[in-house]
Amino acid sequence: AQRVTQPEKLLSVFKGAPVELKCNYSYSGSPELFWYVQYSRQRLQLLLRHISRESIKGFTADLNKGETSFHLKKPFAQEEDSAMYYCALSSYSSASKIIFGSGTRLSIRP
Amino acid sequence: DAGVIQSPRHEVTEMGQEVTLRCKPISGHDYLFWYRQTMMRGLELLIYFNNNVPIDDSGMPEDRFSAKMPNASFSTLKIQPSEPRDSAVYFCASSRESTGELFFGEGSRLTVL
Repeated sequence: AQRVTQPEKLLSVFKGAPVELKCNYSYSGSPELFWYVQYSRQRLQLLLRHISRESIKGFTADLNKGETSFHLKKPFAQEEDSAMYYCALSSYSSASKIIFGSGTRLSIRP
Repeated sequence: DAGVIQSPRHEVTEMGQEVTLRCKPISGHDYLFWYRQTMMRGLELLIYFNNNVPIDDSGMPEDRFSAKMPNASFSTLKIQPSEPRDSAVYFCASSRESTGELFFGEGSRLTVL
């Protein structure tokens, strides 16, 4: 069964400090992993996906199949990074049934 | 395109009443998803459609919940009768086939008293 686990409900770090939002998954096939973000008063939106191998707003995420993880990282946090972050998973062979973790609220302290 | 449009944005109702939430997906998108967001459980997938056909409704909590997609530009999620534990934000999202990127509506915040 597909499952996405985000162990931290809340993560608070100081501005300029490194950030790591944890995401672990369970899936028997070839997964496609995503990070979505919801800023205050904005719609939930795609931040990045593992197949793109991009850095978006300074964030990167590497798929580690051995550890079944897809942690989101940023070396230096900025105040505008404060938001709700969701890790999501779908089958690589189909865009259907995208499931989400429970989310982590990131708070950046000045 | 205005994006995914949901209505109402806010709904306050009393236990036992029927609630209908509406969604207009982005034109040309083949998939439509209904999610429920709560503090405890985050985003839960309730049901999704492909080309107006329900594909997986295993996330629908119980028979009180039903969803329809009569055409490519409209879907409803109905709760009858509503209960206080149904209070949540309900999101609709749509996507093109095989891209995986979901486009979300602004959500419908439901409060059942």
